[in-house]
Amino acid sequence: ETGVTQSPTHLIKTRGQQVTLRCSSQSGHNTVSWYQQALGQGPQFIFQYYREEENGRGNFPPRFSGLQFPNYSSELNVNALELDDSALYLCASSLDQYEQYFGPGTRLTVT
Amino acid sequence: AQSVAQPEDQVNVAEGNPLTVKCTYSVSGNPYLFWYVQYPNRGLQFLLKYITGDNLVKGSYGFEAEFNKSQTSFHLKKPSALVSDSALYFCAVRPLNSGYSTLTFGKGTMLLVSP
Repeated sequence: ETGVTQSPTHLIKTRGQQVTLRCSSQSGHNTVSWYQQALGQGPQFIFQYYREEENGRGNFPPRFSGLQFPNYSSELNVNALELDDSALYLCASSLDQYEQYFGPGTRLTVT
Repeated sequence: AQSVAQPEDQVNVAEGNPLTVKCTYSVSGNPYLFWYVQYPNRGLQFLLKYITGDNLVKGSYGFEAEFNKSQTSFHLKKPSALVSDSALYFCAVRPLNSGYSTLTFGKGTMLLVSP
């Protein structure tokens, strides 16, 4: 069974730029959730995709957007990067409503 | 809206002693509760979950958690701590019958086990 993978591991961007983060779900999982974990904080829910449709969104602005592909992999896109977007971005996959399994995360630094 | 409180930023315990990491929650309806552990520069690893049934839930690495509905608590416990248990621990909750499975996390508790 393949676990959740994320790429890249680390990323440095400049304020105002755009970034795309990628996630491959655990085999057999059809639901992907994205979280932002700022330094010293717990993960905060960004949005969730179920069978290629967004079915839930947290308190994040529209410049945070996503996609889920037919193979259930996913992308998180962030436009017009701000300094406060610096964080660990976690992807989690699950089968329907069951427990979520997390990837190792992508550390984004915005300068 | 649901919420999770982890009242301790850090818990210190000596190796071999029992440990408790506290968590209280607020949610509409019945809760679906989780504990995750995070090692430095790593993602979250699932430890255990509570859905229904026995209030004492056993999980990975010898950890267990006790669900107390009247106190809305879900404390993480281990009878004998190991130095390798030192990590950041997160409690999370979601409503059992919510339309989607997103989790609300606490801010985390750092567990430090001394030799």
